[in-house]
Amino acid sequence: EIVLTQSPGTLSLSPGERATLSCRASQSLRATSLAWYQQKPGQAPRLLVYGANRATGIPDRFSGSGSGAEFTLTISRLEPEDFAVYYCQHHDRSPRYTFGRGTKLDIK
Amino acid sequence: QEQLVQSGAEVKKPGSSVKVSCTASGWTFGSFAVTWVRQVPGEGPEWMGRIIPISGETSYEQRFQGRVTMTADQATSTAYMEVTSLASDDTAVYFCAREFQNWLDPWGQGTLVTVSS
Repeated sequence: EIVLTQSPGTLSLSPGERATLSCRASQSLRATSLAWYQQKPGQAPRLLVYGANRATGIPDRFSGSGSGAEFTLTISRLEPEDFAVYYCQHHDRSPRYTFGRGTKLDIK
Repeated sequence: QEQLVQSGAEVKKPGSSVKVSCTASGWTFGSFAVTWVRQVPGEGPEWMGRIIPISGETSYEQRFQGRVTMTADQATSTAYMEVTSLASDDTAVYFCAREFQNWLDPWGQGTLVTVSS
């Protein structure tokens, strides 16, 4: 069973800064099997990035990268609406979807 | 517009059951699997299982096996998830989501199920 470890648990930054969120897998993954979601309080998770692709309507300040067991979500220049919780998720050949425990992006 | 709309919040007694609905619009319902995820406040999402509407084929996370039943009605484009023998630690927000390749999009708005005596 694959385990996804996200770090840091909380990231405190200011608007305009660059955010780098990490997702480490317990084994090597295909890049196309890894996705990132944003969740705001009281809302469902929203798909941001799958593999190295942005979902429809997602601003280009969001980008996903990585390979093997190390993956990164980068937000190039934080906007006030970007402060939320971010989850990475893996799914490949088995039916199961696995999520990380999340990184909370706080306003500094 | 592709969307999933879930049924409203529920309050249940321990030992009872709950059935949550999830109605799809904007695509051919039978063409994509529907996955169910739950989220305890303050924690990450947890996959519970999935159903392929066109066949009715289901897959459940092992720890929910025997207590969760997922069904789908293609005529109404609605998926259902029933959880039996509810306990206080089943208190969570339950989400449905459409599976597309290896990711989930869109998601329903969530249904809060509170289990309390």
